[in-house]
Amino acid sequence: GAGVSQSPSNKVTEKGKDVELRCDPISGHTALYWYRQSLGQGLEFLIYFQGNSAPDKSGLPSDRFSAERTGGSVSTLTIQRTQQEDSAVYLCASSLGTGVNEQYFGPGTRLTVT
Amino acid sequence: AQSVTQLDSQVPVFEEAPVELRCNYSSSVSVYLFWYVQYPNQGLQLLLKYLSGSTLVKGINGFEAEFNKSQTSFHLRKPSVHISDTAEYFCAVKRDFNKFYFGSGTKLNVKP
Repeated sequence: GAGVSQSPSNKVTEKGKDVELRCDPISGHTALYWYRQSLGQGLEFLIYFQGNSAPDKSGLPSDRFSAERTGGSVSTLTIQRTQQEDSAVYLCASSLGTGVNEQYFGPGTRLTVT
Repeated sequence: AQSVTQLDSQVPVFEEAPVELRCNYSSSVSVYLFWYVQYPNQGLQLLLKYLSGSTLVKGINGFEAEFNKSQTSFHLRKPSVHISDTAEYFCAVKRDFNKFYFGSGTKLNVKP
């Protein structure tokens, strides 16, 4: 079956521009996560959606970062006024939600801010 | 506070040799533990997971891990590695309801 998809796969943008990254989770997965993977670093949690509950935004590094999930499915991560330190791979993952279900990851979006 | 610690950032090993990748986590009442692998230019995929029961967990590609509650460790092992095992490996803990905490990763470099 279809896995988690992300688009675009690569994005190059100029400093100060806004970018939108998209994630399509596996159908039926109620939980959706965004992570940031910087060069040489592990995965940094950004935000978590579970069903219709309020998202856990505790990992967002600044108010330039925001995310939404429409209709409990597709999610968009928006970074406003991008900075060079935002350059990283942004990974999306989905899972069946509560309980001990593991996450399924998308291939990521590589963001480069010049 | 750091929830997951992977002590080795890089592990070089020769093909057909055994390997152990170390993972320690902050103690908690209950945790669910995972190992993920990331091949070059790909997303992460699940290797194995510990939920409960037997402390020795077997995963894909001949990997296994042992949950040690007293040492709060979940080390990953393989008795004989292949070139194709070259990848980055991440240990993760699931707790705080539904949040996952990942280690910083260990790059396994298998040499011929």
